[in-house]
Amino acid sequence: ETGVTQTPRHLVMGMTNKKSLKCEQHLGHNAMYWYKQSAKKPLELMFVYSLEERVENNSVPSRFSPECPNSSHLFLHLHTLQPEDSALYLCASSQGTSGSGANVLTFGAGSRLTVL
Amino acid sequence: GQNIDQPTEMTATEGAIVQINCTYQTSGFNGLFWYQQHAGEAPTFLSYNVLDGLEEKGRFSSFLSRSKGYSYLLLKELQMKDSASYLCAVRDGDYKLSFGAGTTVTVRA
Repeated sequence: ETGVTQTPRHLVMGMTNKKSLKCEQHLGHNAMYWYKQSAKKPLELMFVYSLEERVENNSVPSRFSPECPNSSHLFLHLHTLQPEDSALYLCASSQGTSGSGANVLTFGAGSRLTVL
Repeated sequence: GQNIDQPTEMTATEGAIVQINCTYQTSGFNGLFWYQQHAGEAPTFLSYNVLDGLEEKGRFSSFLSRSKGYSYLLLKELQMKDSASYLCAVRDGDYKLSFGAGTTVTVRA
């Protein structure tokens, strides 16, 4: 496989469930990102990892917990979510987080999350 | 905070030209990006401007004026497959991208 792969593509969960979103990149990139995309709203940056170290936590509630075990994999663990958390969650990667390496993000197709 | 404005929707006819404007007010500037996103798919990179002027890539061109905080994406010879959402984004530091809400372009036969 090439590019950025996200699973699952669709997820429906109750407010008391625990689930995880997975992202995998096969591009040899060193930086990975989680973005939230809600209808008619700008993409919101949630977390950034560079070389498996978290470099950005953009005031995201603790019910979202990221994990980056290596530079190719990124997870978003979900717990006790609210209906307003329903959105498309996009993973992206880039060569780095500074200079020209940060220029272009390669996105996955997203995980569509519905919280009931 | 960051403020990036672009029109919500535009409609054009196949074969025509459409120009999507983007204005921005950000705390810093380190480049402006345009991404294309088809429904249900990943956003894909279209263009990058860091200096003033026009960058042309086939049927797509992107223009930047840093002094005016303004950019546009020009789509020429529109095709049905160009129906998508177009996202304007500004890089205001090393890696942080601030996005506009996107412009949905509908191409009609």
